[in-house]
Amino acid sequence: NAGVTQTPKFQVLKTGQSMTLQCAQDMNHNSMYWYRQDPGMGLRLIYYSASEGTTDKGEVPNGYNVSRLNKREFSLRLESAAPSQTSVYFCGTGLYSPLHFGNGTRLTVT
Amino acid sequence: SQQGEEDPQALSIQEGENATMNCSYKTSINNLQWYRQNSGRGLVHLILIRSNEREKHSGRLRVTLDTSKKSSSLLITASRAADTASYFCATLNAGGTSYGKLTFGQGTILTVHP
Repeated sequence: NAGVTQTPKFQVLKTGQSMTLQCAQDMNHNSMYWYRQDPGMGLRLIYYSASEGTTDKGEVPNGYNVSRLNKREFSLRLESAAPSQTSVYFCGTGLYSPLHFGNGTRLTVT
Repeated sequence: SQQGEEDPQALSIQEGENATMNCSYKTSINNLQWYRQNSGRGLVHLILIRSNEREKHSGRLRVTLDTSKKSSSLLITASRAADTASYFCATLNAGGTSYGKLTFGQGTILTVHP
């Protein structure tokens, strides 16, 4: 999707490893979001950032940390990956709503 | 917890038929939105309806909102094979600590057969 770039597209981790998912937007939006999508569960909010310098927990924040590096970039870190974190992760951005999403990072934790 | 519940979970129709998907939610909302997701891709916004609106149209899409029943429906008219995708409703809760948080339903998988 134009405007929101997520890296990497795919990642396989072993239990206990760490990694950072990157998200960058060029839409000049204040708000950025991280969601995870699991089969049959829709999207669930992990963390969001209403503006540069602020972050807040969403519905499922445990096991994750975030950094709003600047207005463009919002990263999601898994410090010690667990199999339960196997999911597809989507970054979204918006000025209130609607949101614009990246194409996702498919993460598998073995 | 999921705010939106969507019905049906899966819908299979022939090209040219209409497709109707329903969404119910639990709390007061600021607006309700519908998104589409093609396989392996991110979600794309389709249409937004505010809590004080009852019906909205965009091309072949028609959305209704009944705040008394806490429900919404998305109608796709004259469907095409290219409409095959998953469709999600999402609600922006009214005020308070829910600022900016969109809560998504579980989605309806629509298959349109040529």
